[in-house]
Amino acid sequence: DAGVTQSPTHLIKTRGQHVTLRCSPISGHKSVSWYQQVLGQGPQFIFQYYEKEERGRGNFPDRFSARQFPNYSSELNVNALLLGDSALYLCASSFRQGDHSPLHFGNGTRLTVT
Amino acid sequence: AQTVTQSQPEMSVQEAETVTLSCTYDTSESNYYLFWYKQPPSRQMILVIRQEAYKQQNATENRFSVNFQKAAKSFSLKISDSQLGDTAMYFCAFMNYGGSQGNLIFGKGTKLSVKP
Repeated sequence: DAGVTQSPTHLIKTRGQHVTLRCSPISGHKSVSWYQQVLGQGPQFIFQYYEKEERGRGNFPDRFSARQFPNYSSELNVNALLLGDSALYLCASSFRQGDHSPLHFGNGTRLTVT
Repeated sequence: AQTVTQSQPEMSVQEAETVTLSCTYDTSESNYYLFWYKQPPSRQMILVIRQEAYKQQNATENRFSVNFQKAAKSFSLKISDSQLGDTAMYFCAFMNYGGSQGNLIFGKGTKLSVKP
């Protein structure tokens, strides 16, 4: 079975631009979470979606938004990019929202803002 | 707010030896979960081991075991018989009981190098 897939793997954008990152969860998984991992730091929670509804939001500005589609795939959108948005963006999926459902991570999208 | 602290930015160990990675956390909750994740150069986060705070018995998974000291809010990871494939970043993470594994609080990580 395919794992969590993220696209693109690498991306270079200019300050002020907009970016869309995509994530396909493991087949049958209904929960998707997004994390930002700045170089040298641990991942920081951005959003969680379950059954197409936002179920959690981290401490990120409104420039960050996300959505989940009927097939449970997800997009993370970032507007008005800043240099500080340069990071590895990780997507993770689980079968359901509950705490007994293991989390499976993708390989991430490396975003560089110049 | 909960915090997770990993005080060892880097560690190294000889192949076949044992190494212990440290983690402390801060919370006012009595029930919660703790995790250790491994992130190799491939960037994919892989769950190593998980501990429920209400269980006194320390979790073990093959060569990996934890020393969970609830009163001290300490959660260390012991890797026995270290292998070259254990070389990776290791992250300690916290989750509130009744919360979702989608919302984890991570430490800054420890870079482990296993030397032949």
